[in-house]
Amino acid sequence: EAGVAQSPRYKIIEKRQSVAFWCNPISGHATLYWYQQILGQGPKLLIQFQNNGVVDDSQLPKDRFSAERLKGVDSTLKIQPAKLEDSAVYLCASSLDTWEKLFFGSGTQLSVL
Amino acid sequence: DQQVKQNSPSLSVQEGRISILNCDYTNSMFDYFLWYKKYPAEGPTFLISISSIKDKNEDGRFTVFLNKSAKHLSLHIVPSQPGDSAVYFCAAKDGATNKLIFGTGTLLAVQP
Repeated sequence: EAGVAQSPRYKIIEKRQSVAFWCNPISGHATLYWYQQILGQGPKLLIQFQNNGVVDDSQLPKDRFSAERLKGVDSTLKIQPAKLEDSAVYLCASSLDTWEKLFFGSGTQLSVL
Repeated sequence: DQQVKQNSPSLSVQEGRISILNCDYTNSMFDYFLWYKKYPAEGPTFLISISSIKDKNEDGRFTVFLNKSAKHLSLHIVPSQPGDSAVYFCAAKDGATNKLIFGTGTLLAVQP
């Protein structure tokens, strides 16, 4: 069974630039999550999709972050413009249904200079 | 407000001995607890879980204990192996919102 795929693996940008991350969940998984993990902290949920609808985006900084899940499969997370404090690992996860056991991708490590 | 706390950032254990990782929580609405393991440059992987109606769950070398009155859970690894060296995250599900809240993680180093 293929796991959760994420790209790119690493990204270095300057502040005020924009960046996008891509996630392909495990086939058949209805729920998709984007987490932000800052160094030394646990993963923090940014947004949760159920199929292509948003279930929870209460911790997404909507002035600069956006996410979409077209056709209820792949998802992209965008930051525009990036700030220094956005430096983190962005993890995508998927599960069969809401909050069922989560399967994580390897993450995208973002460095904002 | 840190609802799930892992107060030990790191732990070093000799191979073959027991590793005990601890986790404390504050929210009485948490009804399910999970442990995830994370190797460098990889995403977290599910390890073991426990429902709030139980006080122990065992899976091979891994056992999770839950003390609801103390709002404390622990993960025991016996015997510890060098391949267990990783960051371990405790996570708790809020029964009211279904949100999963992660702790800050504990880096376990198992010395050969």
